[in-house]
This record gives sequence, structure tokens and C-alpha cells, in this order.
Amino acid sequence: NAGVTQTPKFQVLKTGQSMTLQCAQDMNHNSMYWYRQDPGMGLRLIYYSASEGTTDKGEVPNGYNVSRLNKREFSLRLESAAPSQTSVYFCAIEKSGANVLTFGAGSRLTVL
Amino acid sequence: GQSLEQPSEVTAVEGAIVQINCTYQTSGFYGLSWYQQHDGGAPTFLSYNALDGLEETGRFSSFLSRSDSYGYLLLQELQMKDSASYFCAAGGYQKVTFGTGTKLQVIP
Repeated sequence: NAGVTQTPKFQVLKTGQSMTLQCAQDMNHNSMYWYRQDPGMGLRLIYYSASEGTTDKGEVPNGYNVSRLNKREFSLRLESAAPSQTSVYFCAIEKSGANVLTFGAGSRLTVL
Repeated sequence: GQSLEQPSEVTAVEGAIVQINCTYQTSGFYGLSWYQQHDGGAPTFLSYNALDGLEETGRFSSFLSRSDSYGYLLLQELQMKDSASYFCAAGGYQKVTFGTGTKLQVIP
């Protein structure tokens, strides 16, 4: 997972609490993504950012917000966590037009 | 929207060859990629097909047929360490969509 750093690796929240997952890259790629993965499931796209300052919704954006303030960082925020948001969250980066993703190690979130 | 279908589970014997199929329905399709994910780990890139035909990378090969909206991943000389989940993913403009994954179990 060299090049993509996610924090925190593990987090336990109570319903209604808020938190931000951080993602930082050092590969100077334009596109960044947030996916969630539930047990036995594929990866579902939450939000993506094609470049600094732009973000777009993916398949499952409800309950999340994102921020891409600079090229290096893309954060995912849960304003009021719900048990349905218990999941493993992956940040990924993509070299423009290459359709090849490099993933971070993941952030395992549990909402009680 | 985009959807990709692949078998949920495949079992194969060590040393054998296994093929994992993927069919897709997409708009704005650029190409098909494959990722491997071991339990508890992150997905890692294996192969990408932008054009029809076969791409070979060591023991792994991937095939794409755009006219059939179909691709496959071929794993040769299976090793126990190949036991993992394999995902196909459709690349489009500013977006990559994943299938639900195929869990491969390699048995002795």
C-alpha cells in the first residue's frame, strides 16, 4: 500500500457520533476514491474526486461527506454515524485515465 | 449505471489452472481490470485490458471481449497463496466500478 496512507486503521463509534477518515497520497495522482466493503461484498463507491477541489457522488453517498482541499488529501466524514455504516473503508488513487487503482490499507469502522 | 457479475466461489487444485469469468453492463466503458484481495488485506492490482485480447503477466492472464461485454482472469500453476478473493472492475470516465468478487480456494 505504498503511496496511500489511511488513518485511523480502527475506530469504534457510538450511534450519532461524528468522525473523519483521512487519506493522503504521495504519488501525485489526480483521482482519489473512497470505497466501502461489507463482509462478503465487493467494493462500493462512496465518493470520488477527479482533481483538487472537485468531488462527485458514487453509488452509496448518503450519510457521508468528503473534502478534497489539496491534491494530496481526500477526507471522508460521517456526520452522524449509524450502525449501517459499520464497514471497512478503502481510499484509492488513480493515475489519470489509467483505470488502475492503488489502495490504502483500509480503515475498519464499527458503529455501536 | 454499471454492473459486473462474477461467480461467488471457485475451488481448484494446487498446480491446476482456473478461470474466473466476469460479465459487465456499463456505460462509458474504458477497460476491465482485475484485483486480488487476501482476507484482511487491501485489494491489489493484477491486470488491465483496455483492448480486446489476452494480456499475460507471469502466471496470470486476463482476457477482454468488448463485443461480448465479457472478460476473464486465468490463473495458471495455482499455488496455495493464490487463495484469495478476485474482483473484476470496469473503468470509465473518472470512475471505477467493482464486481462482487470471486472467492478462490486452492486445495492441495
